[in-house]
Amino acid sequence: GAGVSQSPRYKVAKRGQDVALRCDPISGHVSLFWYQQALGQGPEFLTYFQNEAQLDKSGLPSDRFFAERPEGSVSTLKIQRTQQEDSAVYLCASSLEYRTTDTQYFGPGTRLTVL
Amino acid sequence: GENVEQHPSTLSVQEGDSAVIKCTYSDSASNYFPWYKQELGKGPQLIIDIRSNVGEKKDQRIAVTLNKTAKHFSLHITETQPEDSAVYFCAASPGSARQLTFGSGTQLTVLP
Repeated sequence: GAGVSQSPRYKVAKRGQDVALRCDPISGHVSLFWYQQALGQGPEFLTYFQNEAQLDKSGLPSDRFFAERPEGSVSTLKIQRTQQEDSAVYLCASSLEYRTTDTQYFGPGTRLTVL
Repeated sequence: GENVEQHPSTLSVQEGDSAVIKCTYSDSASNYFPWYKQELGKGPQLIIDIRSNVGEKKDQRIAVTLNKTAKHFSLHITETQPEDSAVYFCAASPGSARQLTFGSGTQLTVLP
């Protein structure tokens, strides 16, 4: 079946531009996560949605980062006024339910390069 | 919050040998420990996971062990093959939150 998909796969932005990254989770999955992965590092948590509710945004590095999931399915991560330190791979993951032991399935990621 | 440490950072083995990657965690309330394999340009792929109510789990050539007292868990890959070459990440799910905290990764190279 279809897994988690993300678009675009690659994004190049000039410093100061706004970007929007899209995540299509596995159909019917309640939980959705965004992670940021710097080069050579493990993914780091950004934010978590249960259906359309953003229950945890403690990992967002600044108020330039904003995420939404208005209908409880597709999610968008928006970064305003991009900076070079925002360059990373942004990963989306979804899980069927909301327990801490639920398996998280990851998408292929969006590689963001800020020039 | 949770802190996960992983070692070694790089590991080279001959084809057919075994590989072992170890992780420690800090939050004693953590109850879920997945392992992911990440190939270049791809997202992490779950290869095996273990929950805190068991001490060992095996799936063909892959096994994971968990020692809750010592707060460490390990990945064992037997009869390694060149296609096992990738970056492997351990992770832990803190009992107080749903997100995963990842280790820093192990670059495994299986030499033919």
